[in-house]
Amino acid sequence: AQKITQTQPGMFVQEKEAVTLDCTYDTSDPSYGLFWYKQPSSGEMIFLIYQGSYDQQNATEGRYSLNFQKARKSANLVISASQLGDSAMYFCAMREGQGGGTSYGKLTFGQGTILTVHP
Amino acid sequence: NAGVTQTPKFQVLKTGQSMTLQCAQDMNHEYMSWYRQDPGMGLRLIHYSVGAGITDQGEVPNGYNVSRSTTEDFPLRLLSAAPSQTSVYFCASSYLTAWGYTFGSGTRLTVV
Repeated sequence: AQKITQTQPGMFVQEKEAVTLDCTYDTSDPSYGLFWYKQPSSGEMIFLIYQGSYDQQNATEGRYSLNFQKARKSANLVISASQLGDSAMYFCAMREGQGGGTSYGKLTFGQGTILTVHP
Repeated sequence: NAGVTQTPKFQVLKTGQSMTLQCAQDMNHEYMSWYRQDPGMGLRLIHYSVGAGITDQGEVPNGYNVSRSTTEDFPLRLLSAAPSQTSVYFCASSYLTAWGYTFGSGTRLTVV
């Protein structure tokens, strides 16, 4: 079974509007972390936001927020006030287990969502 | 502090050739890993290491070898390149007890 699922291959948004990129995950480990990365056309992986499974509040980083619904196993990325520079591929990823364990190091990625911001 | 350095950035190989993709980090991270990125498939784990002398296989290890003789370096070896290994390769590192990853800038490999 897919551990990370991103069901939106592509999304379009108008500049200055908000957009939500979907991510669902599957794990039986009570301790895990969820990440969102941005990959612009230049190819580098840019970390955006992190949510730990025990975090009580949704993570926020500037215009990025993570809508964490633990019971639904979803970790959607919300980008507010979209900018042209937000056009990129976005990846959701998960890291399972407690720090220090060998399995803790593995990141599992979703297939990605291409976001296009229109002026 | 250079972070994670990958070399080369681009490489073209002929089928059957061997080569080594280099990855070095200067942050004293215990954990290092190699991913490949293919269209529509996200990033998939090839091999990883939790410290010098310790390596293990990820999701797609066939055709690749790794070793970790020092904390800083984690080279990825293609033994006999095949067109199916055409991909973008990323090296990433982190502390074992922290959640954050640092990625290299990637190596775009084409096997003809």
